[in-house]
Amino acid sequence: GAVVSQHPSRVICKSGTSVKIECRSLDFQATTMFWYRQFPKQSLMLMATSNEGSKATYEQGVEKDKFLINHASLTLSTLTVTSAHPEDSSFYICSASLVGSFGYTFGSGTRLTVV
Amino acid sequence: QQPVQSPQAVILREGEDAVINCSSSKALYSVHWYRQKHGEAPVFLMILLKGGEQKGHEKISASFNEKKQQSSLYLTASQLSYSGTYFCGTEYRESNTGKLIFGQGTTLQVKP
Repeated sequence: GAVVSQHPSRVICKSGTSVKIECRSLDFQATTMFWYRQFPKQSLMLMATSNEGSKATYEQGVEKDKFLINHASLTLSTLTVTSAHPEDSSFYICSASLVGSFGYTFGSGTRLTVV
Repeated sequence: QQPVQSPQAVILREGEDAVINCSSSKALYSVHWYRQKHGEAPVFLMILLKGGEQKGHEKISASFNEKKQQSSLYLTASQLSYSGTYFCGTEYRESNTGKLIFGQGTTLQVKP
């Protein structure tokens, strides 16, 4: 089955620094990946659609200069949280779908804490 | 628009049944169901694509009423392992992007 690997699983950073989160499709190619953010006891909120070889599409209200997405290959998408602040602390999850199949596989998520 | 799930929370005894609903005000292309355990990523349960279709495996099944733009998840003879938060993810017809919009979630707690 489709496996999506996400790293790191947990990260603590200081306010003002940047953090990069990686999302890899291990056994399939993913032209499209999705990035979500989830605050405690809340739903998954779609942040952006990551497209291989082109610019990401951001949802309304998501700052594209703050959340940089790069999808340089068919198996890797990265999300960089720039100049992180405590309010950026959240659970970030990526997902991807195997072409020809249904349903999306989620990465294991990254718990970001900004202190 | 975010789909609306009901109920918000359910508490069951082992062996009891539950139904979780997901309603949309917009025309749906597909409905996906996921279960999430605390601190973990969501796990895919099933997807429904056509109106009136019902899918399932073992004791978890779902239906999709295209006319009502509503999907229901059925959990029968619940087990302790069913505990978690259930999310429906909806894909809208005009979207054609594959992106999912998730409902607010339904917390299910199964007690011995």
